[in-house]
Order: sequence, then structure tokens, then C-alpha cells
Amino acid sequence: EIVLTQSPGTLSLSPGERGTLSCRASQSVTSNFLAWYQQKPGQAPRLLIYGASSRATGVPDRFSGSASGTDFTLTISRLEPEDFAVYYCHQYGSSPQTFGPGTKVDMK
Amino acid sequence: QLPLVESGGGLVKPGGSLRLSCAASGFTFSDYYITWIRQAPGKGLEWISFISYSGDSSFYADSVKGRFTMSRDNAQNSVELQMNSLRAEDTAVYYCARGVTPFSYYYALDVWGPGTSVTVSS
Repeated sequence: EIVLTQSPGTLSLSPGERGTLSCRASQSVTSNFLAWYQQKPGQAPRLLIYGASSRATGVPDRFSGSASGTDFTLTISRLEPEDFAVYYCHQYGSSPQTFGPGTKVDMK
Repeated sequence: QLPLVESGGGLVKPGGSLRLSCAASGFTFSDYYITWIRQAPGKGLEWISFISYSGDSSFYADSVKGRFTMSRDNAQNSVELQMNSLRAEDTAVYYCARGVTPFSYYYALDVWGPGTSVTVSS
């Protein structure tokens, strides 16, 4: 099973700042089949990024994803008030699929 | 109308059973794998199972293997999750979700239902 480790656990930022979220896989992720989701309280997750770097439909271009080996990064270039949420990474290239524990982005 | 809507959640005693449904609309349901994910209160997301677009294969997390069974009816645009031998640790919100890419075994989850809550408690 691929274990995903996300850091930091909490990221405290102000609107307009840049956010960098990390997801490290315990082993290679097949074809970079790695996604990022945003979840707000009481809501289902929303897909942001798939294939490590492809933005999902309707996702603003301030969200971007990248990969380097087993390290994956979600970058929010300039935080908007609606971006404060929990972010999860998800690998779907190996069974069982696994999620990271999440990074909470809260307001400083 | 939401593209995916779960139903069937509720309160059940340990050892009991529950059947969740996921109703789809607005897309060609028979083209997509469907996945169940759950989220325990205050916790993260856990993948638990998926079923192929044709329904001829399904896969389960070890935590539910042998207790949960997924099935689908493409004529009715629905998927079901039969949950038996329920435990307290199965308490969670259960989401069904669809992949980005039709017919693909490898897929991120781009359409989610709002979830249905399952509580296992005596």
C-alpha cells in the first residue's frame, strides 16, 4: 500500500499570500496518478488537480500541481478567502487507492 | 439535480447491516467506474471500494473486504453498497464518486455526491 504523507499539517496564511502544500509518497506513483482535492466543512471534496498537474474543469489557474519523483506539490499562487479549507492528495495508480491525511489551510 | 446522490444511511447496531444507494443522473452512467469513499467524524478520506463500468469487477479496501459488497444496475443508473457485520469504526459519511475519464481503471474523482451518514452504535 502506498502511504501518502502531507505537510504541513496546518498552514496559516493571509489572503493574497502564496501557499505550498506537499504530498510525499512512500513509493513511486504509477504514471503520476496523483490528485488533489479541496474540502470545506460539511461539503464533499472537490477535485482540483489530477495526473499531478492537470487542472480539473472550472478550477482557477491560481491552483497548480507539480511532481518530482515521489514528491508532489500543490501551489496556490495567491490565496483568496474561499481557499481556506482542507486539502487532500490521493493516489489512484495502485490498489488500494490511498489518501493523504490532509493539510488544513487556515487564516493567519 | 445533482449528478450523484447517496441514500440509505442511518443508525445501526454493531453486527447489523445497511444498504447504501447511489443514484446517478445527467451523464452516461454505464461508461464510468464508481467509487465509494468514507470519512469518519473529524477524520480524513478513506477509499473503500470501486466497481467497473460494466459491473463485472469490484475491488475493496482490506478494512471492508468480506463485509461490504458493491453492485450496480446500469439500467437504473444506480450503485449499491451492501454493508454487513458493521462495526463502530464503520461510522462515517459515505460518498459515492465518479471518475474524470470514462471506461478508465485509473481515475481521479471529479463528481461526488453530498454523502450519507452511517452511525454504528448500540
